[in-house]
Amino acid sequence: NAGVTQTPKFQVLKTGQSMTLQCAQDMNHEYMSWYRQDPGMGLRLIHYSVGAGITDQGEVPNGYNVSRSTTEDFPLRLLSAAPSQTSVYFCASSLYGGGASNSPLHFGNGTRLTVT
Amino acid sequence: GQQVMQIPQYQHVQEGEDFTTYCNSSTTLSNIQWYKQRPGGHPVFLIQLVKSGEVKKQKRLTFQFGEAKKNSSLHITATQTTDVGTYFCAGPYGNKLVFGAGTILRVKS
Repeated sequence: NAGVTQTPKFQVLKTGQSMTLQCAQDMNHEYMSWYRQDPGMGLRLIHYSVGAGITDQGEVPNGYNVSRSTTEDFPLRLLSAAPSQTSVYFCASSLYGGGASNSPLHFGNGTRLTVT
Repeated sequence: GQQVMQIPQYQHVQEGEDFTTYCNSSTTLSNIQWYKQRPGGHPVFLIQLVKSGEVKKQKRLTFQFGEAKKNSSLHITATQTTDVGTYFCAGPYGNKLVFGAGTILRVKS
């Protein structure tokens, strides 16, 4: 199993550009989520999904869209990038809902995004 | 705002010294999870605590869950250079797993 795969690893955007961060998992996990990591802020939840066709907002959803058309994939879209979105983005999945007992999160390797 | 508070933000210890990070939730938790992130890496699950007052050990690491299930701690005995990284606690709020801000551990050899 590859686990959770994120692409790209690095990306530089200009303000106003759009892009999609890709995330795929091959563990048949129902739950998938996106976090951003900024110094001193920990990991903040952007969006999450409890199954195909179902998505919901996390702590910091503004400026981001997601969709979950399949169990395996959970892309994160930035429609109009802003410098405040410069961050490291992690996709994570778990067998059941976030925080469920005996269902730890498995993280991808992250995408480092810079918006100039 | 943050529902999971974690302190300290940063700790620099001499190799062989002990280290502790503390986590507090604004509400009672069904469980609490701990993760470790090595520099340049991604968070990796360490352990989950479920029961009130639970204590679990992993070699030199001791994890505790408070009696009221609102606080937790991670204690490392005799730190080694391999312990460097950021340690996060995380608690479930509905379907969301909310992370603390993390404690960065640096070890001087």
